[in-house]
Amino acid sequence: KAGVTQTPRYLIKTRGQQVTLSCSPISGHRSVSWYQQTPGQGLQFLFEYFSETQRNKGNFPGRFSGRQFSNSRSEMNVSTLELGDSALYLCASSVGITIGASDTQYFGPGTRLTVL
Amino acid sequence: DQQVKQNSPSLSVQEGRISILNCDYTNSMFDYFLWYKKYPAEGPTFLISISSIKDKNEDGRFTVFLNKSAKHLSLHIVPSQPGDSAVYFCAASALSGGGADGLTFGKGTHLIIQP
Repeated sequence: KAGVTQTPRYLIKTRGQQVTLSCSPISGHRSVSWYQQTPGQGLQFLFEYFSETQRNKGNFPGRFSGRQFSNSRSEMNVSTLELGDSALYLCASSVGITIGASDTQYFGPGTRLTVL
Repeated sequence: DQQVKQNSPSLSVQEGRISILNCDYTNSMFDYFLWYKKYPAEGPTFLISISSIKDKNEDGRFTVFLNKSAKHLSLHIVPSQPGDSAVYFCAASALSGGGADGLTFGKGTHLIIQP
């Protein structure tokens, strides 16, 4: 079974631009979550999608948004990029309905975003 | 305010010995805890979890202990192997509250297994 894939793996943007990251979950998984990892803050929850609906959202500004398609693939968008948005963005998929439930989240390798 | 804390940024252990990674939490609503392992250039990989109704869960060389009164959990790896060298993240969730805040992660502990 193929794992979670994320594209692109690396991205360089400049301040003010916008970016879209993509995540393909494991086949059969309906829940997709996004996390931001930075050296200072560690791993932080961005949002979770299930059946094309955003169910949960972390404490991030509205510049961070996402969506999920009918095939469970998900995209994450960051508008008006700031230097502080430089981070590793991780996507995780799971079968279950409730985030953090006992069904395991499987992480992709991440997209390394650098904002100059 | 960091709700999940891993106070040791790094830990060095000799091969064959026991590795003990610690994690403290402040949110009393957390009732489900997980440990993830992360290699460079890869996403975190689930290792082991524990529900707050238990105080111990074991899976092969990995054992997680939970002390609810102290709001503390630990991961024991016995015996430690070179392939265990990685960054270990502790994570917590409030399942009974629907897990609306997702998983809350600690900042990780870099475990180094020395030959």
